[in-house]
Amino acid sequence: DVKVTQSSRYLVKRTGEKVFLECVQDMDHENMFWYRQDPGLGLRLIYFSYDVKMKEKGDIPEGYSVSREKKERFSLILESASTNQTSMYLCASSFIGAGERDEQFFGPGTRLTVL
Amino acid sequence: KQEVTQIPAALSVPEGENLVLNCSFTDSAIYNLQWFRQDPGKGLTSLLLIQSSQREQTSGRLNASLDKSSGRSTLYIAASQPGDSATYLCAGRYGQNFVFGPGTRLSVLP
Repeated sequence: DVKVTQSSRYLVKRTGEKVFLECVQDMDHENMFWYRQDPGLGLRLIYFSYDVKMKEKGDIPEGYSVSREKKERFSLILESASTNQTSMYLCASSFIGAGERDEQFFGPGTRLTVL
Repeated sequence: KQEVTQIPAALSVPEGENLVLNCSFTDSAIYNLQWFRQDPGKGLTSLLLIQSSQREQTSGRLNASLDKSSGRSTLYIAASQPGDSATYLCAGRYGQNFVFGPGTRLSVLP
């Protein structure tokens, strides 16, 4: 069964802390994505990666960085957490082929609260 | 710029009704269109994927259609149940880019 897992369902951090969100997929997908979801703003793409050590900025990369050292794992890093980064973070993955059958699969999400 | 919109933003229906959710996209050069369900506080669950060469796809009580020429997709839910209550999002794939709509929040009343 297809699976995308995220390291935490809920996370509470303090302003200024460095925060790591981990995502792992078992489908051998090339593409991996990090989104944040906020009420009234929908899903916004932070970063995506199409291969190991490769990354592309999405719509809102400021304040975030990413790491992809292995194909199955994509990490989102908040270098210095701020209260406006309180949000639901969603990881997703897909094949790179962009063929018509290629779906995007999502993890369960991490609800991050920054105090 | 590629944009996806969904109407209505929220919908409340009595149990047993058939209903239609709408999704519109501005760029018809779409690779595929995917419908998702999201329960409160959870991730997105894929419901149906319609390829650009297809006109519709069915899974159980769900039927999704795609009309590239008009830039529209619809999700039809037959005989709605309280368990169908959730937010439904559509997303168009353009190359490696997925463009999401804002979602329709559905409430099915017992």
